[in-house]
Amino acid sequence: DAKTTQPNSMESNEEEPVHLPCNHSTISGTDYIHWYRQLPSQGPEYVIHGLTSNVNNRMASLAIAEDRKSSTLILHRATLRDAAVYYCILRDGTGTASKLTFGTGTRLQVTL
Amino acid sequence: ETGVTQSPTHLIKTRGQQVTLRCSSQSGHNTVSWYQQALGQGPQFIFQYYREEENGRGNFPPRFSGLQFPNYSSELNVNALELDDSALYLCASSLVQGGIYEQYFGPGTRLTVT
Repeated sequence: DAKTTQPNSMESNEEEPVHLPCNHSTISGTDYIHWYRQLPSQGPEYVIHGLTSNVNNRMASLAIAEDRKSSTLILHRATLRDAAVYYCILRDGTGTASKLTFGTGTRLQVTL
Repeated sequence: ETGVTQSPTHLIKTRGQQVTLRCSSQSGHNTVSWYQQALGQGPQFIFQYYREEENGRGNFPPRFSGLQFPNYSSELNVNALELDDSALYLCASSLVQGGIYEQYFGPGTRLTVT
């Protein structure tokens, strides 16, 4: 499985933008970039995914480098409820297997 | 639309016993995956069921087995429990469509093996 590298932790002030980086230098052409987050005492929650182009949804934006070897999850205005562990995951887009290979993620702390 | 539910919430078992964990998928989803999450770690993929057949498995021994039923509910069975099996067990359902999908996770079952 292609591997991702994320910082262990990051801090942000409330209502400020947050940029969560992810490196995936061994990504293959069929790998989708997925982001999930896990709030305390909950199961992971889907945030966003993309293949080549930047993506936006109601939760966040995903900026993908032109060579696809890195990506950045952008939370436009962090709130206290965004405090969670954020996982960057590569998923093989071929076949039906839905295996997600989680790393240890980035723990985001949001302060007032 | 109901989300993914799991039962029980918490469970305590003794080493050597067997356990069955249950998951009810989100309505309309045809795929369920199970994950094990040790404390302080990310979830680790156990296996996936698609249309009642296992079609993907992680690095877990055969004493971890599962079933998916026609109504897309699912079970995870673990035989001969070991202390290291203590973890949060998560199930996730998804609708495989065009190879692009997102997974919806349940809240998990916390298993403690003593």
